[in-house]
Amino acid sequence: QSALTQPASVSGSPGQSITIFCTGTSSDIGSYNYVSWHQQHPGKAPKLLIYDVSNRPAGISSRFSGSKSGNTASLTISGLQAEDDADYYCSSFTSSSIGVFGTGTKVTVL
Amino acid sequence: QVQLVESGGGVVQPGRSLRLSCAASGFTFSTFGMHWVRQAPGKGLEWVAVLWSDESNKFYADSVKGRFTISRDISKNTLYLQMNSLRVDDTAVYYCARVSGVAALDYWGQGTLVTVSS
Repeated sequence: QSALTQPASVSGSPGQSITIFCTGTSSDIGSYNYVSWHQQHPGKAPKLLIYDVSNRPAGISSRFSGSKSGNTASLTISGLQAEDDADYYCSSFTSSSIGVFGTGTKVTVL
Repeated sequence: QVQLVESGGGVVQPGRSLRLSCAASGFTFSTFGMHWVRQAPGKGLEWVAVLWSDESNKFYADSVKGRFTISRDISKNTLYLQMNSLRVDDTAVYYCARVSGVAALDYWGQGTLVTVSS
C-alpha cells in the first residue's frame, strides 16, 4: 500500500485560500468516495476535518471543504487563520480493505 | 462524550512482544469498527490494523501482517493490539481510532509511544 502523494508544504497569508491536493490511484481514491482529511497539530492526535470526500463532521468550520476528481482529492481552506497552521493528511479506503494515508502537508500561515 | 485512552507502550528489545490497550467510553463499543494507526517520530501516519464492528473481518498493513493481531473485549470496552517479533522500525506513537461509516476515523486516542531498541 503506497502512500498517497501530497505536497510537502503549502503556505498562505491570513484571509487567503489554499488548496492541498492528494493524488492516489485507481485502487484507492479513483474507486471509492471514502476520502478523508485530518488536521494534526504538533504533539496532538489527528482530528477529522472531512470524510466521504466532502462531508464535515459536526463542529468543523465551513472554511474547510473537500472534493475529488478522478484519482485526485483536494482540501481547500478558505479565510486562512493562524490556528490552521498544522499538518494535514488525506486518506482513502483501498481495494485491500485497509486505508492508506497521504504523505502529509505542512501548512504555514505567514 | 467519546473517549479513547491507549496504554501499554514502552521500551522493548527487538524480537520481543508488547500488547497495547485502548479503553473506550461514551459510545456503544460493540457497534463500531476500530482501527490502529501509527506515526513514527517525525514521520507521517500509517494505517496498521482494522477490526470490523461485527469482528467478521480483520485487516493488516503488509508491514505488520503475521506479527500483529487486533482484537477486542466487549465486556471491558477495550481494543487490543498484540505486537510480536517487534522490529526497530515499529518504533512509533500508536493511536486507536473509532471508525464511522466505512473509513471515517472520527475519534482518536491520545496515543501511546512504543520504542523498539536494544
